[in-house]
Amino acid sequence: QQQVKQSPQSLIVQKGGISIINCAYENTAFDYFPWYQQFPGKGPALLIAIRPDVSEKKEGRFTISFNKSAKQFSLHIMDSQPGDSATYFCAARYRDDMRFGAGTRLTVKP
Amino acid sequence: NAGVMQNPRHLVRRRGQEARLRCSPMKGHSHVYWYRQLPEEGLKFMVYLQKENIIDESGMPKERFSAEFPKEGPSILRIQQVVRGDSAAYFCASSRGRSGANVLTFGAGSRLTVL
Repeated sequence: QQQVKQSPQSLIVQKGGISIINCAYENTAFDYFPWYQQFPGKGPALLIAIRPDVSEKKEGRFTISFNKSAKQFSLHIMDSQPGDSATYFCAARYRDDMRFGAGTRLTVKP
Repeated sequence: NAGVMQNPRHLVRRRGQEARLRCSPMKGHSHVYWYRQLPEEGLKFMVYLQKENIIDESGMPKERFSAEFPKEGPSILRIQQVVRGDSAAYFCASSRGRSGANVLTFGAGSRLTVL
């Protein structure tokens, strides 16, 4: 049972472009939506997170947009850089239950 | 603050052998989660433990897999009679507790290869 659906599976963006990754969830009880960034050979690391009472959160070049009625949220990476090349996972949490999307492999070409 | 420590980082086993993966949570964290990541796939929840208790093992295969988090020492994920399909990266994460926006801190993972 996949509770968090993530797309696209892979994404190629030119340096300076905008990377957009989308996620949709099913369980309306989820109350915390983090994004994790994973470099090859490393564990995922928290990048940015949002609660459902906020429609947008921005930290530097990274922005989460949240649409509660549509049960969707997205990660936008502005001015994408080659160093942003990694796998990104969205997640949704209810109490101790953290469910992850399948991941998006982002490649930023110089 | 050493973070979440996992060992071994790489483990090679032949079919039928046992694999033991260890996870020491961050200092002050009493909740441990195990996830499995198959090649080109996302993180699949396996089990959630607190000290001496299994809270949720709904993602763990019913056979061959077990997990524990003893009062003293690391959490251990044990896979008996490994098969090739068990080859994956196994990630441990820890958190402080249930309240608030608890952040999962991940270890670097243990990569199991079954020959």
